Formats: sequence, C-alpha cells, structure tokens
Amino acid sequence: AQTVTQSQPEMSVQEAETVTLSCTYDTSESDYYLFWYKQPPSRQMILVIRQEAYKQQNATENRFSVNFQKAAKSFSLKISDSQLGDAAMYFCAYRAGTYKYIFGTGTRLKVLA
Amino acid sequence: GAVVSQHPSRVICKSGTSVKIECRSLDFQATTMFWYRQFPKKSLMLMATSNEGSKATYEQGVEKDKFLINHASLTLSTLTVTSAHPEDSSFYICSARDNEGPAFFGQGTRLTVV
Repeated sequence: AQTVTQSQPEMSVQEAETVTLSCTYDTSESDYYLFWYKQPPSRQMILVIRQEAYKQQNATENRFSVNFQKAAKSFSLKISDSQLGDAAMYFCAYRAGTYKYIFGTGTRLKVLA
Repeated sequence: GAVVSQHPSRVICKSGTSVKIECRSLDFQATTMFWYRQFPKKSLMLMATSNEGSKATYEQGVEKDKFLINHASLTLSTLTVTSAHPEDSSFYICSARDNEGPAFFGQGTRLTVV
C-alpha cells in the first residue's frame, strides 16, 4: 500500500530565511504524481507545487521548489525568502494514475518576524 | 488555479436531521470528486471518491448509507449527512479534478450537530 510520511510535525523559520520540509513516500508504482498543499488558518487547501515522477527536473514555483529523489522516494519542499504569509500547515500528497490522493500527516510551519 | 466552491461554509443542525453540502467546480469539468473529513490538527481522511454518473466508492469504515454522495453532473457533487449525530461534527472538504490536472479544493464546511 502507498504511504506518505512527514516526519516533522512542526518547523519554524525566521522571516526571509529558507526552510525545507521533508516528505517520504512508499509505492511500487513507476508513474505517479507528488504534490505539496498549503492549508492556512482559513483551512482552504491551496496547491503549492506538483511534480510528475517521470520528470527528472525538480519543479519550481517562484519561492517554492522541490528536491525530488525518486530512488530514495523523497520529496522535500524548500521555501526561500520565507514570508509571514507562508505560515500554515503543509501537506505532502501522492497520487498514482487518476485515482485518489494520499496525504501525509502535515507539518505546521511557523514564520518568525 | 481552478476554482472549486463549497457551500455552506458553516452549518449547525439538530441531531437526527440531515444536512447537504454542495461542491461545485466553477471553471472546469470535474470528472472525479473527493470528499474528506478533517479532525482538528489532523490530516485529511478520504471518505469517498465519486466519478460523474456512477456510484461513489467509499473508503473502509465509512458508512455509505449515512454519508450519501451524488455526482450527477460534471460540475456538482453533493454530500448528505443523514440522521446527523454530534459525533458527525467535523470539517468536511471536497476536492475536484479533471482527467489531466491536479485536485483543487473547496473552502470546506464546518458541521456542528447539536
């Protein structure tokens, strides 16, 4: 069965600094997708970034980038130049094919002014 | 990103009554919709997956007669909590996707059963 593990329940980062959130997963599939979603206090889930497993190049969206290590089944999120608005719960998610998403337990990110 | 609208955002109902939550994809055709339940400070728990025009697939442990899901069109899915009880109080979130893209989420519904 596929699983997604986020080993950091909570992380803190100073404003303008860089932070990396960890995510590992387990699957026997070769073709799948990985996502990072952000859930601010409003509880609206927002897509931050996604990665197709067949692509070797790491995805980047402005200040957000991933380090995708397929062999190690690792998918970490790097947030550069952290802003106060980045404070939220971050969920790593996995999806194979057109089917359901599997979410990690989340990492709460605090941004210190 | 695409827009998914969930309504209502908050609802309070009396124990024993039913409540319906709507999930609409506003700018794309949602071939698949997902319904989640989220407990405080916890991750999302998938309740069921629905494809337009077919019966929903429920996760193990989710009572399909209690949580009725209808996905009658490519832009609308509904979750009806029947005979609600206080233990059904929770935050319910829908998400929707087409055949190509990622899932986008509604704003969530906070259900309180009194």
